[in-house]
Amino acid sequence: NAGVTQTPKFRVLKTGQSMTLLCAQDMNHEYMYWYRQDPGMGLRLIHYSVGEGTTAKGEVPDGYNVSRLKKQNFLLGLESAAPSQTSVYFCASSYESASTDTQYFGPGTRLTVL
Amino acid sequence: GENVEQHPSTLSVQEGDSAVIKCTYSDSASNYFPWYKQELGKGPQLIIDIRSNVGEKKDQRIAVTLNKTAKHFSLHITETQPEDSAVYFCAARGTGRRALTFGSGTRLQVQP
Repeated sequence: NAGVTQTPKFRVLKTGQSMTLLCAQDMNHEYMYWYRQDPGMGLRLIHYSVGEGTTAKGEVPDGYNVSRLKKQNFLLGLESAAPSQTSVYFCASSYESASTDTQYFGPGTRLTVL
Repeated sequence: GENVEQHPSTLSVQEGDSAVIKCTYSDSASNYFPWYKQELGKGPQLIIDIRSNVGEKKDQRIAVTLNKTAKHFSLHITETQPEDSAVYFCAARGTGRRALTFGSGTRLQVQP
């Protein structure tokens, strides 16, 4: 099992450019999440999905869009990147289960917007 | 919404000593409290969690305690080792919600 994988690992964008971050999981998890991590602020939830074809807003959704067309993939899009979106982005996934709530995280994507 | 505060932001201990990290939460309906460890350049990994119907949970050298009345929970690491050096995050989740709210993290350094 590869677990949760993220591509790309690093990316540098210019202000106004667009890009898509891809998250893939091979654990057949129902739930998937996108977080951003900034120094001194922990992880903040951007968007999440409770199943294929569904998405919901998290704590900091502005400037981002997501799609969950396949159960194993969760895409995060930036339509017009801004310097404030410079961050490390983590994807996570979890089961829908009453007995376990573990979120499994990917290795992260470091994004710099100039 | 939920607000989680975590202290201290940095903690330095000698190898073999104990380390304690504390978190407080604001939503009295929160019922699930995990702790994650993040090593340099990697994603966070769950190390222990506790639910609101339990006051303490232990797994080898790590333990978590929960005080629902005071709305705080703590991570205890005993006999610390250099490989315990990492950033630790607490989190909380309310009933009926899937999303976790994370604390701001504690950088633990274990000096050999």
